[in-house]
Amino acid sequence: GAGVSQSPRYKVAKRGQDVALRCDPISGHVSLFWYQQALGQGPEFLTYFQNEAQLDKSGLPSDRFFAERPEGSVSTLKIQRTQQEDSAVYLCASSQVGFSGNTIYFGEGSWLTVV
Amino acid sequence: AQSVTQLGSHVSVSEGALVLLRCNYSSSVPPYLFWYVQYPNQGLQLLLKYTTGATLVKGINGFEAEFKKSETSFHLTKPSAHMSDAAEYFCAVSEAGANSKLTFGKGITLSVRP
Repeated sequence: GAGVSQSPRYKVAKRGQDVALRCDPISGHVSLFWYQQALGQGPEFLTYFQNEAQLDKSGLPSDRFFAERPEGSVSTLKIQRTQQEDSAVYLCASSQVGFSGNTIYFGEGSWLTVV
Repeated sequence: AQSVTQLGSHVSVSEGALVLLRCNYSSSVPPYLFWYVQYPNQGLQLLLKYTTGATLVKGINGFEAEFKKSETSFHLTKPSAHMSDAAEYFCAVSEAGANSKLTFGKGITLSVRP
């Protein structure tokens, strides 16, 4: 597709349930990012991939959060044993190369509500 | 460490009036600066960015911003607001020379009155 595609767009999970959020970056984009946006806040960095290598995971809030990009294209963000504080919009973004200043393109986000 | 401050959470202007959205940053190295817009239920769209060169940068939809190093500011302006400008606006910073990790402000909601 022309843009960054995320699925599902909306997910309601019961507390304790595991969820998986998928991101299809723009074709050919080397860099992929995940951000978390809580209600009324700006996006906060979670993790960064360059091709299949996860170069920065400093923003992952706990060991319940795990991200992968095994073939350097599609990425999955997995949240285990979801908690209410995990409710947020999860944004995926991609860019052509990894150097700073390059334009980053964002998807529409996956809205997660934990009940 | 980097940070972005966007004072206030909501700005309201009349259609045709000047739009001014303030952004101040903190960075220990030369920054790259960005403004993004987010419409309801949509992803973030880049309005403009400053990396190097001219400190006044022009973006889409008639917006522009000026990098002022002495004031550590990157305020967003538009001479004449349009109803379609109503959205949430985020200022962001990244470190020059590092990967493109962005640090965002909390955002400002712009309302445009008829």
